[in-house]
Amino acid sequence: GEDVEQSLFLSVREGDSSVINCTYTDSSSTYLYWYKQEPGAGLQLLTYIFSNMDMKQDQRLTVLLNKKDKHLSLRIADTQTGDSAIYFCAEDMGTYKYIFGTGTRLKVLA
Amino acid sequence: DTGVSQDPRHKITKRGQNVTFRCDPISEHNRLYWYRQTLGQGPEFLTYFQNEAQLEKSRLLSDRFSAERPKGSFSTLEIQRTEQGDSAMYLCASSLPDRLGRSNQPQHFGDGTRLSIL
Repeated sequence: GEDVEQSLFLSVREGDSSVINCTYTDSSSTYLYWYKQEPGAGLQLLTYIFSNMDMKQDQRLTVLLNKKDKHLSLRIADTQTGDSAIYFCAEDMGTYKYIFGTGTRLKVLA
Repeated sequence: DTGVSQDPRHKITKRGQNVTFRCDPISEHNRLYWYRQTLGQGPEFLTYFQNEAQLEKSRLLSDRFSAERPKGSFSTLEIQRTEQGDSAMYLCASSLPDRLGRSNQPQHFGDGTRLSIL
């Protein structure tokens, strides 16, 4: 079945690391994505990982993929107030549509 | 270079009216997608075009919904006889095909059209 789950909220202090988690159910996923959505705006692509990779690093962002457990995480180093937003993971099963999670609202406390 | 552009940003209408939204994809992207996002949820896939051909439609796309992409460039999404449940953010995305023809080029989203039904 198609289901992507995320925890709803995460609160961190400015300068700390944030880790946002995602679990998915379809093992045929080819790519997995992280998007950021600020209030009233669309989705901004942050990073993505191919399903045969375990880790991808892009500046302050680190994506970890555990394909056996169907678990994806996004770590944001040195979290800033501008990182406050809703973060969505999405899986691409090669059928042209993405399956999105419900989103994790990240609040960064100054 | 501009990203995906959607118009209007906001639409308020009375129940029963027809509405039409427009999406202009990134210029070299031949794939275009429509999603719907309700409050507190992630986007849900509605339909997908490759050039002017509509290749997939979700079960969410009832017969009151129609999407077109007549020249393979911009796309329109029309909702006829709007209902309260149609209130949502309608997001458009576009992407390049990869060399193997599979859709693993990332989708880039516009800022959406927020529809409110009175």
